[in-house]
Amino acid sequence: DTEVTQTPKHLVMGMTNKKSLKCEQHMGHRAMYWYKQKAKKPPELMFVYSYEKLSINESVPSRFSPECPNSSLLNLHLHALQPEDSALYLCASSQETGWITEAFFGQGTRLTVV
Amino acid sequence: AQTVTQSQPEMSVQEAETVTLSCTYDTSESDYYLFWYKQPPSRQMILVIRQEAYKQQNATENRFSVNFQKAAKSFSLKISDSQLGDAAMYFCAYRSVSGDKIIFGKGTRLHILP
Repeated sequence: DTEVTQTPKHLVMGMTNKKSLKCEQHMGHRAMYWYKQKAKKPPELMFVYSYEKLSINESVPSRFSPECPNSSLLNLHLHALQPEDSALYLCASSQETGWITEAFFGQGTRLTVV
Repeated sequence: AQTVTQSQPEMSVQEAETVTLSCTYDTSESDYYLFWYKQPPSRQMILVIRQEAYKQQNATENRFSVNFQKAAKSFSLKISDSQLGDAAMYFCAYRSVSGDKIIFGKGTRLHILP
């Protein structure tokens, strides 16, 4: 199994809503990532978890709250988002942080904030 | 800080022909890793090819090969016998040996003409 699975694939939410994005991998990877990608732009790193601990937070606003309940799951909790937060949110995993290995990406969640 | 530059926002190539996508990067590190990722309309980022900076030999993966010029900090991707399925956005990416971040270029959209 070489898949990173993200749910939902599409999400529309209001600015007062609370929602969560989910990411799952069963490759035994110990590093997991959240990226944000705007249209026609490269992915921008948001968070990195290493061994279920947050190792990098790229100064992301607190309305985005990551959570890593176990080594296979990664959540991104959303609250009080703004329309400019509309984007594709990509989850990725890799064998280890700092090791020479590529990241495997999920198909993303297309988020629209109205 | 490291940067990755892709100077070709869009390119087109005739089916079965060869095309080369350019990438340059800037770093003060001597050891690092370079990647080419492909993102088709399905949105999923897929690794195309990987190059370790300490290796002088250029990486190849079937129809995909790179021209890695470490002194010039250049990492171009050559696609031979282009196929319709190669149409996608291609991102060049850099990763430090010790770092957790993958830094992406702005991407090159490749069109395959039948």
